Amino acid sequence: EAQVTQNPRYLITVTGKKLTVTCSQNMNHEYMSWYRQDPGLGLRQIYYSMNVEVTDKGDVPEGYKVSRKEKRNFPLILESPSPNQTSLYFCASSTNRQKNTEAFFGQGTRLTVV
Amino acid sequence: EDKVVQSPLSLVVHEGDTVTLNCSYEVTNFRSLLWYKQEKKAPTFLFMLTSSGIEKKSGRLSSILDKKELFSILNITATQTGDSAVYLCAVKPQGGSEKLVFGKGTKLTVNP
Repeated sequence: EAQVTQNPRYLITVTGKKLTVTCSQNMNHEYMSWYRQDPGLGLRQIYYSMNVEVTDKGDVPEGYKVSRKEKRNFPLILESPSPNQTSLYFCASSTNRQKNTEAFFGQGTRLTVV
Repeated sequence: EDKVVQSPLSLVVHEGDTVTLNCSYEVTNFRSLLWYKQEKKAPTFLFMLTSSGIEKKSGRLSSILDKKELFSILNITATQTGDSAVYLCAVKPQGGSEKLVFGKGTKLTVNP
């Protein structure tokens, strides 16, 4: 089954404790991205990757890091989480831009930073 | 700055009603407009529109794009309780990032 898999689904952590949210897709998609969803603000792009070893900032990258060492994986790293990073996070993937297809979303990760 | 505005923000209807959800956008270089349905968690894809005036249809759902007036509508006929969800409109600009610019969504509640 074609899917984007995120882990964990729920996470409660303390301020300053490094964490990683994993994302994996099995569709051989070139493009992957991370969004956060907050009430009243909608979905906003954090980082994206056009292909292996190619990443760039989205609209709200502060406090986040990403890496793309393999095509299927695109982890989101919070080196020193803060309470304002409490949010619902989504990973998404799509084929290369020439094909102009829809993005597939993971199930989401609900992160709470206390 | 690219912008997507959805209206209404929320809507409560009875089963069997027909609803129209609106999405207007301002994008420097438009490529496509997408509609997603978000129930519990992950947004699930409904439609992608790239050309004006061509209706996309899937069962009771349909959508159309007006590139001249910069808006799209999503229609749901004979609504069911299972249609209750947040409906998201997103625009994909031209450019290398494949970024989606989302509206804040319309929360639809269908009561029995």
